[in-house]
Amino acid sequence: DGGITQSPKYLFRKEGQNVTLSCEQNLNHDAMYWYRQDPGQGLRLIYYSQIVNDFQKGDIAEGYSVSREKKESFPLTVTSAQKNPTAFYLCASRSYGSVGEQYFGPGTRLTVT
Amino acid sequence: KNEVEQSPQNLTAQEGEFITINCSYSVGISALHWLQQHPGGGIVSLFMLSSGKKKHGRLIATINIQEKHSSLHITASHPRDSAVYICAVFTHSGGGADGLTFGKGTHLIIQP
Repeated sequence: DGGITQSPKYLFRKEGQNVTLSCEQNLNHDAMYWYRQDPGQGLRLIYYSQIVNDFQKGDIAEGYSVSREKKESFPLTVTSAQKNPTAFYLCASRSYGSVGEQYFGPGTRLTVT
Repeated sequence: KNEVEQSPQNLTAQEGEFITINCSYSVGISALHWLQQHPGGGIVSLFMLSSGKKKHGRLIATINIQEKHSSLHITASHPRDSAVYICAVFTHSGGGADGLTFGKGTHLIIQP
């Protein structure tokens, strides 16, 4: 079945540690996105990539980094510079030419203590 | 930047009731999406609209481009409809950040 996988579903880290969240898609989509969701707020765009080896900052990129070495993979690293990393993280992808219709992964809930 | 407002923020209703969730946005768009998020966190797309009305089962979505407003209706609501419903708009910015702008969501609870 085609879709987006994110792993793990729950992740716990100590403050000061970097952590990498996985996102893989087998939909052959060109564009991939990372969003952050906090209680009472809409999803906010962290980073996006429209093509392999290229990515752009979204609205809240500070403290995060990404890579896009393969079309199907778009990992997100939450660095120790991110002041409030505890959140729910969603990965999405879309096919070029579609009008904004994005497919979402199941999400990773990150807790940093 | 587009501002997306949803109302109500929270809605509790009895099984069988007709439900309406509203979404307003501030800037002209290319498409509007209604998404459903269940307690586990995963999001599924319900509708994508650029004009008029769409129906899928007990769900109906409408959009008025001139008024910059969309509604999601649920007929004969059921407890399994309990979820967060999110409105999102897509704008061809011609540059800058690509992607959707999301509302904060409407938390719907249908009681048996």
